[in-house]
Amino acid sequence: SQKIEQNSEALNIQEGKTATLTCNYTNYSPAYLQWYRQDPGRGPVFLLLIRENEKEKRKERLKVTFDTTLKQSLFHITASQPADSATYLCAGNSGSARQLTFGSGTQLTVLP
Amino acid sequence: NAGVTQTPKFQVLKTGQSMTLQCAQDMNHEYMSWYRQDPGMGLRLIHYSVGAGITDQGEVPNGYNVSRSTTEDFPLRLLSAAPSQTSVYFCSYTGTGGETQYFGPGTRLLVL
Repeated sequence: SQKIEQNSEALNIQEGKTATLTCNYTNYSPAYLQWYRQDPGRGPVFLLLIRENEKEKRKERLKVTFDTTLKQSLFHITASQPADSATYLCAGNSGSARQLTFGSGTQLTVLP
Repeated sequence: NAGVTQTPKFQVLKTGQSMTLQCAQDMNHEYMSWYRQDPGMGLRLIHYSVGAGITDQGEVPNGYNVSRSTTEDFPLRLLSAAPSQTSVYFCSYTGTGGETQYFGPGTRLLVL
């Protein structure tokens, strides 16, 4: 079955450094991948979408890449801040274009 | 919370009890979904609806019923709660672009 896999280990980085989170997909080829941010006790919030024919997309300090050869997306936060601490979820389209398959998320902590 | 309201925020049930989780949006979005989120497993799709009067099953529909009598409301019913249904439940709608999900704040359910 189609899967979206994220590194379940928490990631700790120092403030000001670049955080890089990984999302791998298996058993299918998503037309697009999305990244969401989730804070404790809250619902996920959409951050970025990247399509399979796009190599890279940026939004302010965020950058997402899509490598169809490696079947992988990388999510980067540059000049990270403690306020960036959250769980980040990767999702790919599945079934109909409006359904999503989610990874389990990676918890990021930015240390001051 | 992106214009999605969910009630209650927290609920404790005994095994075998029934309850309805409420979800409402007031922006006339057609496509709505229910997900459950469990530790280490990411968000999994329970049921979805493409418009009033139309619902369909997602990845984990067993033990849950839904209805969509109006565009605004999409309730999720547990007919006979089981401890395996202890989870956090999120309702969402799909934005006008047909790809991005907008989530409510969630309902935390504990079944004893």
